[in-house]
Amino acid sequence: GAGVSQSPSNKVTEKGKDVELRCDPISGHTALYWYRQSLGQGLEFLIYFQGNSAPDKSGLPSDRFSAERTGGSVSTLTIQRTQQEDSAVYLCASSLIGGTSGSHEQFFGPGTRLTVL
Amino acid sequence: AQTVTQSQPEMSVQEAETVTLSCTYDTSESDYYLFWYKQPPSRQMILVIRQEAYKQQNATENRFSVNFQKAAKSFSLKISDSQLGDAAMYFCAYRSAEGNEKLTFGTGTRLTIIP
Repeated sequence: GAGVSQSPSNKVTEKGKDVELRCDPISGHTALYWYRQSLGQGLEFLIYFQGNSAPDKSGLPSDRFSAERTGGSVSTLTIQRTQQEDSAVYLCASSLIGGTSGSHEQFFGPGTRLTVL
Repeated sequence: AQTVTQSQPEMSVQEAETVTLSCTYDTSESDYYLFWYKQPPSRQMILVIRQEAYKQQNATENRFSVNFQKAAKSFSLKISDSQLGDAAMYFCAYRSAEGNEKLTFGTGTRLTIIP
């Protein structure tokens, strides 16, 4: 079946503009995660959805960042008034909570590379 | 809070040889999961191997195996018979067995395979 998909693949924007990043998880996966990967760094957790609810949004770096998930499927990460330090790769992952494997493997999308000029 | 440390920013190995990537972590929890992910230039994170903390036996997946030392909080990855396709960034990650499902990642090790 299809894996996690993200769009756009690359996004270049000007400082101060708003951007929306989209994630389509694997069908049936109840959990969805957003991570940010800055140049040369590991992945930094942003937010976690279980269904349409976000029980953990502790990783969102500022109130300019928000995310929503609708229908227990597609998620959108919105960054308002973008700053140059927002430049990074934004990765989305999904997993099946409650499956037979307790490790709840997270499957990652290819990411969106955001460049803020 | 949990932390994951990868002290080797870069490693290189001759093709067909064996290489070991290091990872240490800090946690006060007794039950958790540890992972090694591979990230090639395509950016796609690929799960290489996982280890449940309650299992004493080290996980193995074909040419990939781990050395899990729970008391020392160490989780190294051994790649045997290295192949050109193994060249990538490798990330060690931690996940609690309870509550928050998020992964905590190390900063990665860039592995180069020398033909």
